[in-house]
Amino acid sequence: ETGVTQSPTHLIKTRGQQVTLRCSSQSGHNTVSWYQQALGQGPQFIFQYYREEENGRGNFPPRFSGLQFPNYSSELNVNALELDDSALYLCASSLGTGSDGYTFGSGTRLTVV
Amino acid sequence: RKEVEQDPGPFNVPEGATVAFNCTYSNSASQSFFWYRQDCRKEPKLLMSVYSSGNEDGRFTAQLNRASQYISLLIRDSKLSDSATYLCVVNNYNQGGKLIFGQGTELSVKP
Repeated sequence: ETGVTQSPTHLIKTRGQQVTLRCSSQSGHNTVSWYQQALGQGPQFIFQYYREEENGRGNFPPRFSGLQFPNYSSELNVNALELDDSALYLCASSLGTGSDGYTFGSGTRLTVV
Repeated sequence: RKEVEQDPGPFNVPEGATVAFNCTYSNSASQSFFWYRQDCRKEPKLLMSVYSSGNEDGRFTAQLNRASQYISLLIRDSKLSDSATYLCVVNNYNQGGKLIFGQGTELSVKP
């Protein structure tokens, strides 16, 4: 059974650029959630995808968007990067609403300069 | 007010000490409760789920009080390897199952 994998592990971008982060869900999981974790804070929910449809969104602007593919892998896209977007981006997969728990990937550390 | 609030850290304790973390949540409709552990610059990992009846896993004991909307984690006989940030997490299936995290409490166990 493979876990959740994220790519890339680290990324440096310039303010105003666009970035795409990728996540492969754990085998058997059909739900993917994305979280942003700023330094010294707990992870904040961005959005969640279930069977290729967005089914929940946190308090993030529209320039944060995503996709889920038929194999349940997912992408997080961020347009017009701002300095405050610098954070650890975590992907978590689960089966349905996560009553059996979530598995997190090791994250992508994004630095915007 | 944050949806999930935890004790501010850091907690600095000697090996062998007992340490308790507290957490409160604001949404009475919350349905599942967890403690996650996060090591420096790593992803959060599930430490244990929390049930109303209380549950224990070795040196770790978790309690939930739904009436007070309060969650706790007790670590007995703390080890150096327990040093990490402990995150209180709440899940509400009616909101699509998103996890709501507290800020985290940093624990440092010293020799």
